[in-house]
Amino acid sequence: QSVLTQPPSVSAAPGQKVTISCSGSSSNIGNNYVSWYQQLPGTAPKLLIYDNNKRPSGIPDRFSGSKSGTSATLGITGLQTGDEADYYCGTWDSSLSAAVVFGGGTKLTVL
Amino acid sequence: QVQLVQSGSELKKPGASVKVSCKASGYTFTSYAMNWVRQAPGQGLEWMGWINTNTGNPTYAQGFTGRFVFSLDTSVSTAYLQISSLKAEDTAVYYCARWGGSGIDAFDIWGQGTMVTVSS
Repeated sequence: QSVLTQPPSVSAAPGQKVTISCSGSSSNIGNNYVSWYQQLPGTAPKLLIYDNNKRPSGIPDRFSGSKSGTSATLGITGLQTGDEADYYCGTWDSSLSAAVVFGGGTKLTVL
Repeated sequence: QVQLVQSGSELKKPGASVKVSCKASGYTFTSYAMNWVRQAPGQGLEWMGWINTNTGNPTYAQGFTGRFVFSLDTSVSTAYLQISSLKAEDTAVYYCARWGGSGIDAFDIWGQGTMVTVSS
């Protein structure tokens, strides 16, 4: 059971838009920055979004991030077949056992 | 370019030990914290902890104390993860990941992963 809650799967057609939610609490998302990672099949995770809504250089603006209260959202527009991957949210949890926590991951299928 | 290169896959018997290496290049090794993340087969990401690359002080997440040891060799810009008394449930891909530091609260660079298989 992950500390952050993500939907197990989402799907959409090429060219469409999809959003992936990440729900937490005041000890994690509510008071810390959220990051998002893309993991293509058989590869290491890759940073997509950091500090809630910033993109590292080289990440296209089709990817966006937002945060409100204790939830965060990853948005992907203009879906491509190459976007099929697992997506993870992550953040610090400032509770007694301070730790980095991840969501359980969301499998994106581009139909 | 900035990269983390990990050692190759390992096949170990229960009770043995394994040491995974993570060699950094393209940046000042001691300027960024190094983290370790586990991914069991078909499962999500699990943070194991981190090591301060300046002081060598490790911090272990709950569930990763006792048999897990983080260490460094700053002379070769390399971080290590050692796991002792291996169990079948340690079978996983282990990633090292750099914490981005000031301005980037995230893991900005990841190693390619090292598959550790524990089987008799």
